[in-house]
Amino acid sequence: QVQLQESGPGLVKPSGTLSLTCVVSGGSIRSNNWWSWVRQPPGTGLEWIVEFHHTGSINYNPSLKSRVTILIDKSKNQFSLNLHSVTAADTAMYYCARHGAYYFDFWGQGALVTVSS
Amino acid sequence: QSALTQPASVSGSPGQSITISCTGTSSDIGTYNFVSWYQQHPGKAPKLMIYDVAMRPSGVSDRFSASKSGSTASLTISGLQAEDEADYYCKSYTTSRTYVFGSGTQVTVL
Repeated sequence: QVQLQESGPGLVKPSGTLSLTCVVSGGSIRSNNWWSWVRQPPGTGLEWIVEFHHTGSINYNPSLKSRVTILIDKSKNQFSLNLHSVTAADTAMYYCARHGAYYFDFWGQGALVTVSS
Repeated sequence: QSALTQPASVSGSPGQSITISCTGTSSDIGTYNFVSWYQQHPGKAPKLMIYDVAMRPSGVSDRFSASKSGSTASLTISGLQAEDEADYYCKSYTTSRTYVFGSGTQVTVL
């Protein structure tokens, strides 16, 4: 059973960089799966952020592309999301998820990040 | 990309059937059979309920079924139970090689 676990600072200052890591267990990020980050602002719906494949292919939500960086650490079986120049609008629960083709079959429990001074 | 359109809320009594619609465009639902549905209980991560329009993952109750017509997908919950009370989101792949979620529907069991 694949498990994903997000971690990172729960508080980020405006204009700073939000950094989260997703550790994968029970499966390999070098498998033929894609992986995504999804976020959910408090009390609102889900927003897809970015997907990647370990071979280096990446697709972004156009509205966030200019601020998103993905880092992949195959040796640690984990990947990270960096979201730059954050504002209060980036306050959200952030989830990492594994793809089974064009759907997300395994999700992490989520990491709440608040952007505030 | 705009969110797919779902009703904000749907309710039903135990045992009844309800249907949640998810309306997109020719750039997403209308082109691909890559619609999936997710259930989210308060404070929990989303859970995959339906994939590829109408496929049910193992372990998901057969009370959940789904379909698609044109640019609109639908999720039906039959024999509504108290445990079905949750938020439901549709999601589609798009012609821009991105994903778009629905606006979400809160299901209430009366």
